[in-house]
Amino acid sequence: TQLLEQSPQFLSIQEGENLTVYCNSSSVFSSLQWYRQEPGEGPVLLVTVVTGGEVKKLKRLTFQFGDARKDSSLHITAAQTGDTGLYLCAGERDSNYQLIWGAGTKLIIKP
Amino acid sequence: EPEVTQTPSHQVTQMGQEVILRCVPISNHLYFYWYRQILGQKVEFLVSFYNNEISEKSEIFDDQFSVERPDGSNFTLKIRSTKLEDSAMYFCASSEYGAGASSYEQYFGPGTRLTVT
Repeated sequence: TQLLEQSPQFLSIQEGENLTVYCNSSSVFSSLQWYRQEPGEGPVLLVTVVTGGEVKKLKRLTFQFGDARKDSSLHITAAQTGDTGLYLCAGERDSNYQLIWGAGTKLIIKP
Repeated sequence: EPEVTQTPSHQVTQMGQEVILRCVPISNHLYFYWYRQILGQKVEFLVSFYNNEISEKSEIFDDQFSVERPDGSNFTLKIRSTKLEDSAMYFCASSEYGAGASSYEQYFGPGTRLTVT
């Protein structure tokens, strides 16, 4: 069974601080997607990383895919209260339509 | 910007009743999915659908569940005889490409909250 483990499960920090969220697996994924979910809403796709070692930036968010395509990280610089939400990673298995989901990191940014 | 829409936003039903959850995927997308998320838990894959047939389904998607694309725009999930444990948020998603494509990105609808009493 391929599992995606996210850490930490919960993170509460002050506005302006930096943070990193991790998504780890013992299995290789073809690609990995990061989503953000607000309470009562559907996940919203932030980014897809495909190549081992790939780094993508989305304003203050930096996403990295591990060289071996087994892990990924999301780094937020100078967090803002608007970054509050549940961050989910989901990995694509080769030739299957099903995404494997992490349990999410609940992020709270305090003013 | 195109988006996936779902109706209703909230459905309350009695145990044993049939429910149909509706989704309108993004118009040029060819691959469709249903997920559920029990309150406070992980997103769980139910089924994927392409070319008018199921591509993959999880063990959650038993005989009580069915999917259909009745016309060119709607994609539905039917639960034949609801159980209390079916209470969850149900999300529809669509993608332009399938697994293995370099741009396999799924876009989610806002969800339908199903409450079974």
